[in-house]
Amino acid sequence: QQQVKQSPQSLIVQKGGISIINCAYENTAFDYFPWYQQFPGKGPALLIAIRPDVSEKKEGRFTISFNKSAKQFSLHIMDSQPGDSATYFCAATGTYKYIFGTGTRLKVLA
Amino acid sequence: GAVVSQHPSWVICKSGTSVKIECRSLDFQATTMFWYRQFPKQSLMLMATSNEGSKATYEQGVEKDKFLINHASLTLSTLTVTSAHPEDSSFYICSLSTSYNEQFFGPGTRLTVL
Repeated sequence: QQQVKQSPQSLIVQKGGISIINCAYENTAFDYFPWYQQFPGKGPALLIAIRPDVSEKKEGRFTISFNKSAKQFSLHIMDSQPGDSATYFCAATGTYKYIFGTGTRLKVLA
Repeated sequence: GAVVSQHPSWVICKSGTSVKIECRSLDFQATTMFWYRQFPKQSLMLMATSNEGSKATYEQGVEKDKFLINHASLTLSTLTVTSAHPEDSSFYICSLSTSYNEQFFGPGTRLTVL
């Protein structure tokens, strides 16, 4: 019940395309869902996060869609750029301890 | 967001020696900090939760005598890998938690044990 399932494992998108990464959780006590971007050899950087009282949050080219009834949330990267090539992790928490997804390696082709 | 630094950014040591990694919060008083380990192409694995002024809470399977954590102030937590072995080679990352459940991560420390 503590797992967060993330898909796909890897994703290749053309420049200008939309990248979509999905996560599913089981624990209904989770109330904070962040996405992190990690470049090789660097620590994860908080990209965008959502709480379950809203169904969508947008910040620039990044959008989180949240479906509380399905216990799923997704990250959409609009107009994907080569500089977005990185590993993306979703996470969920209900206390202070994060449960991370397994990560998605995104490659945006120029 | 909060800014977190780590030192050193990479370290190479011989098997059997101890290594200390520092995690500093540069602009936030962190009562709670976390230590993670990340193997290549894998997700982050929480090792322990570090609370200022008290003993760290270790995750199941993490040897507390091997990975010593000290959180002596609101801006500094240290992780000491004692008697390091090649299997301890990994990317160690710390983070701090704000009151809104946000976690901000440091840049990580690459440990290689020969």
